[in-house]
Amino acid sequence: IAGITQAPTSQILAAGRRMTLRCTQDMRHNAMYWYRQDLGLGLRLIHYSNTAGTTGKGEVPDGYSVSRANTDDFPLTLASAVPSQTSVYFCASSDSQVPHNEQFFGPGTRLTVL
Amino acid sequence: GQNIDQPTEMTATEGAIVQINCTYQTSGFNGLFWYQQHAGEAPTFLSYNVLDGLEEKGRFSSFLSRSKGYSYLLLKELQMKDSASYLCAVRDSNYQLIWGAGTKLIIKP
Repeated sequence: IAGITQAPTSQILAAGRRMTLRCTQDMRHNAMYWYRQDLGLGLRLIHYSNTAGTTGKGEVPDGYSVSRANTDDFPLTLASAVPSQTSVYFCASSDSQVPHNEQFFGPGTRLTVL
Repeated sequence: GQNIDQPTEMTATEGAIVQINCTYQTSGFNGLFWYQQHAGEAPTFLSYNVLDGLEEKGRFSSFLSRSKGYSYLLLKELQMKDSASYLCAVRDSNYQLIWGAGTKLIIKP
């Protein structure tokens, strides 16, 4: 069982380019999340999905979009990358049927926008 | 606004006990989480508190006081592998997690 996988592991991207970060989970969790983690700051929620077919905006959604066509996949797209989007991106999932609904994290994608 | 405060860095000695504090001000409260994150890795779940009191899990314990907006993570019998960042997170009224910046714990022999 892989849990959650993310691709790519790392990427250097020119400003203005489009980029999709991939996230796949095999735990059949209903909820999925995208966070960014920057030095000195807590994890910040970008977008989330409580169930397949639905998405919502988090704390820092501008410049990002997501889709949730099925339970397993939750890609994050940067339509036109800017240097301030340089960060480590974590995908996470959780099962809202579990009382404490802990989130499980993927290994992360380190993105550098030049 | 919503705020989670925890110390930036702490240092402790192998074999000792360390307490990492977390204070919070959030819109609503639906549980508090502690996660461990080793450098360059993903956060992993340690503990969850929703009622006041102490939850013990092996060498790790977590305490919550909702009236004080306060929690701590207690690590006993410290090992070198416990060197990591410890993240405090509160689930708010929207059932989203609000995260602290994390406490980097350095263990010295």
